[in-house]
Amino acid sequence: GEQVEQLPSILRVQEGSSASINCTYENSASNYFPWYKQEPGENPKLIIDIRSNMERKQTQGLIVLLDKKAKRFSLHITDTQPGDSAMYFCGEYSGGSNAKLTFGKGTKLSVKS
Amino acid sequence: EAAVTQSPRNKVAVTGGKVTLSCNQTNNHNNMYWYRQDTGHGLRLIHYSYGAGSTEKGDIPDGYKASRPSQENFSLILELATPSQTSVYFCASGGWGGSSAETLYFGSGTRLTVL
Repeated sequence: GEQVEQLPSILRVQEGSSASINCTYENSASNYFPWYKQEPGENPKLIIDIRSNMERKQTQGLIVLLDKKAKRFSLHITDTQPGDSAMYFCGEYSGGSNAKLTFGKGTKLSVKS
Repeated sequence: EAAVTQSPRNKVAVTGGKVTLSCNQTNNHNNMYWYRQDTGHGLRLIHYSYGAGSTEKGDIPDGYKASRPSQENFSLILELATPSQTSVYFCASGGWGGSSAETLYFGSGTRLTVL
């Protein structure tokens, strides 16, 4: 079954407002949670990440929150711009002997000016 | 900047034919991955590798094989291609970044159409 659930699948916001994407996971051993952005026709690129020993991380208009008890993490984009329009994928990395990175199904963000 | 090169960029194959997708990385990364991307399904892991000679099954390995003959090269093989394998395939290599966790560097993708 799906290991990382990502919602919403489509998000439309007005320029200047904030956008939030939420992900939940099942594996309590997961210790690393990256976010990738994919612009149309391009490949996915890492934009921000958070490790399990942190609850909050912020960089350049992006905020990531992690709630380990709820097995939930989220991406918040403040002051959205048309250039933020893209697909966003959350990821879950379990580490250990069978380490692999699993992605959510993605969120298509559209920022209207 | 990490470099991952996929070939071909586009491929049209016939049902039942054999297809090989190639990936080369010059990052000296141990880990390499093959994902497919489909609308509504996101990025799904097919096979991955921890180093030369190793391959591991991902979440959707059925109908695919993988080969890692060297540190630099990782291939995805469809022995008997089917229309359901029409998709965009991404290769990625994984390196340990400043946060002491793995950052994936993706290639530009291969668009495969199986008729």
